[in-house]
Amino acid sequence: DIQMTQSPSSLSASVGDRVTITCRASQSISNYLTWYQHKAGKAPKLLIYTASSLQSGVPSRFSGSGSGTEFTLTISSLQPEDFAAYYCQQTYSIPLTFGGGTKVEIK
Amino acid sequence: EVQLLESGGGLVQPGGSLRLSCAASGLTFSSHAMSWVRQAPGKGLEWVSGISGSGDNTYYAGSVRGRFTISRDNFKNTLYLQMNSLRAEDTAVYYCAKDDGIAVTGTLDYRGQGTLVTVSS
Repeated sequence: DIQMTQSPSSLSASVGDRVTITCRASQSISNYLTWYQHKAGKAPKLLIYTASSLQSGVPSRFSGSGSGTEFTLTISSLQPEDFAAYYCQQTYSIPLTFGGGTKVEIK
Repeated sequence: EVQLLESGGGLVQPGGSLRLSCAASGLTFSSHAMSWVRQAPGKGLEWVSGISGSGDNTYYAGSVRGRFTISRDNFKNTLYLQMNSLRAEDTAVYYCAKDDGIAVTGTLDYRGQGTLVTVSS
């Protein structure tokens, strides 16, 4: 199975801050990577697919980059509604695997 | 609008069984692979199982293979997860999600609130 490692596991930031989350795969997955936002009690929300493609309806302050084994999710200017957990997930092979998550909290 | 409504969760004893359902609307159900993903209390997301649009191909995480069975009824627009030999570590909120296409690609669109499964004596 492909192991996905996210860092940091949590971070504190202020509204307006630029936030970067890193995800590393245990082997090359090309660009087969998705990012999700998850708020407690709600369905996870697809943000980015194929590493850098923005899902329809997702604000442009979210962006993704990377290929191979290293990927990043960037929020260019953190908004109040962005405080949530973020997960990367590889779609290169089954079983699909997620990173451990990054909880973005209010500073 | 696409809607996915999970149901069937509840409290079950270790070793017991439960069947989850996911009723889909607002989409051509048979054109989409589907998956189950779970989140244990205080933990992250874990993919559990996936099934192709036709139902011919099924896939499982190692942690549930041999105990869980995924299936679908394309006439009823419903996805199922039969869970047998349940363990405490299966306690989680279970979400169903639709895939991008007819095969399991892993690009998942979640629409439901999930259903809570608690395995405890």
